[in-house]
Amino acid sequence: DAGVTQSPTHLIKTRGQHVTLRCSPISGHKSVSWYQQVLGQGPQFIFQYYEKEERGRGNFPDRFSARQFPNYSSELNVNALLLGDSALYLCASSRAPTGNYGYTFGSGTRLTVV
Amino acid sequence: AQSVSQHNHHVILSEAASLELGCNYSYGGTVNLFWYVQYPGQHLQLLLKYFSGDPLVKGIKGFEAEFIKSKFSFNLRKPSVQWSDTAEYFCAVNALEGSGGYNKLIFGAGTRLAVHP
Repeated sequence: DAGVTQSPTHLIKTRGQHVTLRCSPISGHKSVSWYQQVLGQGPQFIFQYYEKEERGRGNFPDRFSARQFPNYSSELNVNALLLGDSALYLCASSRAPTGNYGYTFGSGTRLTVV
Repeated sequence: AQSVSQHNHHVILSEAASLELGCNYSYGGTVNLFWYVQYPGQHLQLLLKYFSGDPLVKGIKGFEAEFIKSKFSFNLRKPSVQWSDTAEYFCAVNALEGSGGYNKLIFGAGTRLAVHP
């Protein structure tokens, strides 16, 4: 089975631009969560989606949005990029939103905002 | 507030030394606890997890962790480290949120371990 795949792996954007990050969960996993990992810190929860619906949202501004598609893949969108949005963005998939079966993480997308 | 605290930000050991990384959490509900490892340039990988039962949990690569409920702790141990254990280690608690019944992982800030040959 393929693991969690994220694209692109690296991205450089300019302040004020918009970015879309993509995630494909493990086959059979219906829940996708997004995390932001700033250098030197642990990952911070951004969103969770389950069955195409947003189930939870972390303490992030409205510039951050996401969606989940019928095939359970997901996109994270960030508008009006700031320098502080530079981070590793991680996607985690799980069978259920409660995480009772654990989470599997992708390799992440490293976003640099200049 | 829910939080996870990892006491050591950087640890340097020689090969064959014993390892113990501290983790304390603040969460009022039933806890599921995890240790993840991030090798240089790689993704987060699950080392071990505690959901219930025996508080001494064994994971991959010779790692183990002990859940001590009275101390709100979940320390990671390995009796003899190898150079290949050089990585960053994250403790996390699975926190149940909201009426929608979803969970999110709350991570500690991580401990960067360097093992010298």
